[in-house]
Amino acid sequence: ETGVTQTPRHLVMGMTNKKSLKCEQHLGHNAMYWYKQSAKKPLELMFVYNFKEQTENNSVPSRFSPECPNSSHLFLHLHTLQPEDSALYLCASSPRGPSYNEQFFGPGTRLTVL
Amino acid sequence: KQEVTQIPAALSVPEGENLVLNCSFTDSAIYNLQWFRQDPGKGLTSLLLIQSSQREQTSGRLNASLDKSSGRSTLYIAASQPGDSATYLCAVRPGGSYIPTFGRGTSLIVHP
Repeated sequence: ETGVTQTPRHLVMGMTNKKSLKCEQHLGHNAMYWYKQSAKKPLELMFVYNFKEQTENNSVPSRFSPECPNSSHLFLHLHTLQPEDSALYLCASSPRGPSYNEQFFGPGTRLTVL
Repeated sequence: KQEVTQIPAALSVPEGENLVLNCSFTDSAIYNLQWFRQDPGKGLTSLLLIQSSQREQTSGRLNASLDKSSGRSTLYIAASQPGDSATYLCAVRPGGSYIPTFGRGTSLIVHP
């Protein structure tokens, strides 16, 4: 596969569940990002990782826990979410970061919290 | 706090028309402004990036302008085609921060 891939593409979970979103980039990039796109608000940057280190946390609630084991993989661990957390979660990567000039986006995971 | 507004929210035009999409922002202390395209079920694709010192950028049929003093940017699409149908997002990156502020987008439909 090429580019930025995200799994699963769709996820339905209850408020007491624990789930994880996965992002993988095959571009040799060093920075990775999580974004949230909900129906009620504009696209928001959540986290930035540069060379596996978190460099930005945009005041995200602790029920969202990111993990970046290496420059190619990024996870978003979810637990005790609320219905208002239902959204499209987008992953992106860039050759170096946190540079927003050259970000490549994945297709997103559509999350529904019941 | 930076706020980004995009007008119109939706637009439907016949093929061949020239279009103007608008983006306004409240804080003129920006580092750059970027236009993206988002297709249904897909992520974002960067179209044009304008640095704060620039006035415009062009790529093919697309031209983006920036007027920092008035807090406005426009995306001009020439000779629109059905393949241009998508949601167009504007994002402003402030000076001194890596966290951009996005508008809610303009949903464009170009019908044959």
